[in-house]
Amino acid sequence: AQKITQTQPGMFVQEKEAVTLDCTYDTSDPSYGLFWYKQPSSGEMIFLIYQGSYDQQNATEGRYSLNFQKARKSANLVISASQLGDSAMYFCAMRSYNAGNMLTFGGGTRLMVKP
Amino acid sequence: GAGVSQSPSNKVTEKGKDVELRCDPISGHTALYWYRQSLGQGLEFLIYFQGNSAPDKSGLPSDRFSAERTGGSVSTLTIQRTQQEDSAVYLCASSSQQGAGTEAFFGQGTRLTVV
Repeated sequence: AQKITQTQPGMFVQEKEAVTLDCTYDTSDPSYGLFWYKQPSSGEMIFLIYQGSYDQQNATEGRYSLNFQKARKSANLVISASQLGDSAMYFCAMRSYNAGNMLTFGGGTRLMVKP
Repeated sequence: GAGVSQSPSNKVTEKGKDVELRCDPISGHTALYWYRQSLGQGLEFLIYFQGNSAPDKSGLPSDRFSAERTGGSVSTLTIQRTQQEDSAVYLCASSSQQGAGTEAFFGQGTRLTVV
């Protein structure tokens, strides 16, 4: 069985500062993918970034980067230069081939950016 | 269509009535997921389709819930004899292939209110 854990229910960050959102996962499958989604108050789910288990380098997409530590089974999201529009719920998710490609989500972290 | 389409966007129903929620995935996407999200909470997995078959139905909360997918495209989630605890946003997502590295695209959701 695969499991995703996000231990920070809520976080504050000052505008223009960087913030790290934690995500740990558990799977016995050597082949898996890790995803981060953003859900603003409007409710839409927005894909942010992806990391494959065999990727040698940490994924980056603009202000988003993924701090992938495979041995520790963690895939933390780093947002640089926070903006007010970054205030939202953030979900970490995982899909593994042997789990039938089921997409499993963590409980989410609510990020609030202070002006 | 360009994205995942869900209908209706909002549904208010009386306790005990049956409801049908529809999801139109992105054309050509073989994988389709249904999730439930209560207010301010994470995503609860309901069911996953690969083509027309559902490898994993373990998330369906009770036998009042059922889902089908026809023609490898449209999916319908049916809730019979609705209860107040069924009130939530029901999200549908689709992805293009079986690989673990393919992100899922979400619809805007159906907000179900049982009164």
